[in-house]
Amino acid sequence: DAKTTQPTSMDCAEGRAANLPCNHSTISGNEYVYWYRQIHSQGPQYIIHGLKNNETNEMASLIITEDRKSSTLILPHATLRDTAVYYCIVRVEGSGNTGKLIFGQGTTLQVKP
Amino acid sequence: NAGVTQTPKFQVLKTGQSMTLQCAQDMNHNSMYWYRQDPGMGLRLIYYSASEGTTDKGEVPNGYNVSRLNKREFSLRLESAAPSQTSVYFCASRGLTPGQGYYGYTFGSGTRLTVV
Repeated sequence: DAKTTQPTSMDCAEGRAANLPCNHSTISGNEYVYWYRQIHSQGPQYIIHGLKNNETNEMASLIITEDRKSSTLILPHATLRDTAVYYCIVRVEGSGNTGKLIFGQGTTLQVKP
Repeated sequence: NAGVTQTPKFQVLKTGQSMTLQCAQDMNHNSMYWYRQDPGMGLRLIYYSASEGTTDKGEVPNGYNVSRLNKREFSLRLESAAPSQTSVYFCASRGLTPGQGYYGYTFGSGTRLTVV
């Protein structure tokens, strides 16, 4: 699975959009980009994932560059409850593989009033 | 509620004692995983079970054993606990999960283990 690079920490004002970057320059064609977050030592929570196209769900949007070497997670209107560690993970999808998720250090997002 | 249930939530052990961490999921998922998380660190994979009847080592398996008892249950055993095993342990399962796309991951709430 490709390695990812994320900033250690970021701040965001409450109500503003939070844009969390992730570099994955060695990503291969069949690897998906996943985002998870962990709020204060709870179990990680799934946010969104994608392969090539931009994706949006009720929690966030995922923007993947055309060369797929980087992506951005967007929380459109950050709230204090979005303060968490955000993990960007790339891995091969499919029922035939082992499905291991390998976590890096993640980005600590602090949403401030 | 559907999900991953871990027991116990908290445990204090003396060095050398043994214990088993329990994990059960009710989503009919095939794959299950055990992770540990040390303070200020990301999660590290200890063992995983890609399907019922199979188990494999992850990044940090030393000092642990696992049992995939059936499709629902995946336990983690510490035979002789050491202070270095003080950590938060998370169990996860992977499979068809509503709202997550084809193969999603669901994590339990964790077991906080202290070895003194």
